[in-house]
Amino acid sequence: GQNIDQPTEMTATEGAIVQINCTYQTSGFNGLFWYQQHAGEAPTFLSYNVLDGLEEKGRFSSFLSRSKGYSYLLLKELQMKDSASYLCAVMDSNYQLIWGAGTKLIIKP
Amino acid sequence: DAGVIQSPRHEVTEMGQEVTLRCKPISGHDYLFWYRQTMMRGLELLIYFNNNVPIDDSGMPEDRFSAKMPNASFSTLKIQPSEPRDSAVYFCASSLGAGEVDEQFFGPGTRLTVL
Repeated sequence: GQNIDQPTEMTATEGAIVQINCTYQTSGFNGLFWYQQHAGEAPTFLSYNVLDGLEEKGRFSSFLSRSKGYSYLLLKELQMKDSASYLCAVMDSNYQLIWGAGTKLIIKP
Repeated sequence: DAGVIQSPRHEVTEMGQEVTLRCKPISGHDYLFWYRQTMMRGLELLIYFNNNVPIDDSGMPEDRFSAKMPNASFSTLKIQPSEPRDSAVYFCASSLGAGEVDEQFFGPGTRLTVL
């Protein structure tokens, strides 16, 4: 079967760094996406990785290791507005997105 | 572009009633996706269309659910009859393609409550 695992909830302090992990087992791999979803709002695209390594985009970075079926999203200089759920999604061999349950990130002052 | 548009934003109905959710994708996008999101099950793909043609409806829970896309700028998701367990947020999303770098743009969602 296809499976994506993320922690359910994480807490971090404003100004700090947090790493949200995602492990996956899917039938084929055509890339991994991270989306951010604020409470009561729609998911919005954050990043895409298809090759191993780190992709940096401002305060956010995403890492991928295809051999390990592993990715993480790194958020630096945390701000209160970063409080949201972060969804990991993998595109399988049929180009369908398989979604994780999301990690709720709580930022404390 | 205004982004993906969904209506209504909120719907409260009684068990047994018919519910119709509407979506207008971003102009020029070839793919349209219907999702359902609940606390228990997370985000679930119900069905997706390519150039107005349904490609995969394996996520549609049962015959009470149906979706149509009569043209490139409009799609509906219908539930008939509705049941309390259908209560969820229903998202419509669109993308240029379904390839590896084509991010999906989500509409604001319809929050459905079936009493």
